[in-house]
Amino acid sequence: QKEVEQDPGPLSVPEGAIVSLNCTYSNSAFQYFMWYRQYSRKGPELLMYTYSSGNKEDGRFTAQVDKSSKYISLFIRDSQPSDSATYLCAMRRDSGGYQKVTFGTGTKLQVIP
Amino acid sequence: GAVVSQHPSWVICKSGTSVKIECRSLDFQATTMFWYRQFPKQSLMLMATSNEGSKATYEQGVEKDKFLINHASLTLSTLTVTSAHPEDSSFYICSAATGTSYEQYFGPGTRLTVT
Repeated sequence: QKEVEQDPGPLSVPEGAIVSLNCTYSNSAFQYFMWYRQYSRKGPELLMYTYSSGNKEDGRFTAQVDKSSKYISLFIRDSQPSDSATYLCAMRRDSGGYQKVTFGTGTKLQVIP
Repeated sequence: GAVVSQHPSWVICKSGTSVKIECRSLDFQATTMFWYRQFPKQSLMLMATSNEGSKATYEQGVEKDKFLINHASLTLSTLTVTSAHPEDSSFYICSAATGTSYEQYFGPGTRLTVT
């Protein structure tokens, strides 16, 4: 069993839709959770970073963490064609940037105009 | 701020040759750099972690003699793929971290094709 499971998609939605992206994980030692966006042939860029269970909002993006269920989500409101990318969940045990990060496989999202 | 560059962005080499990929932090000092490999439709897999001035720590299954990592300064790390084979063709991405930030900053990646 992989430490982090993520549906690879692809996921196609119409412009303006609410998008829900999810990951499950098996290692309860993970404490810090991130969502990255990766455009084709580019490196990932950090979208959201959360620590505790609950919700964190940043503009059109909301990250949700449920540690009891080992389940994290990213919601995108009013999705735009520019949101079309692969979204990777990631997590690690400690807070320092020097710590190893475990990534999901990524979900490819396409927002259709 | 926090820009990481990689060079080259795309390289094609013949089987048996060696290829060097550079990773630079342009506007900050990176105490730790990471090298990842990403195959199509797969996740980023960590290959090794390097701290400036010390030997890299390789993940299980990664051949240290084949993937040579040098973190010579706080702004530069290099990955050399020695005696490359077609199965080494992949997207190689580096990231850099400072000791005080929770974030890793990723480079744009290098696509290696071995013919």
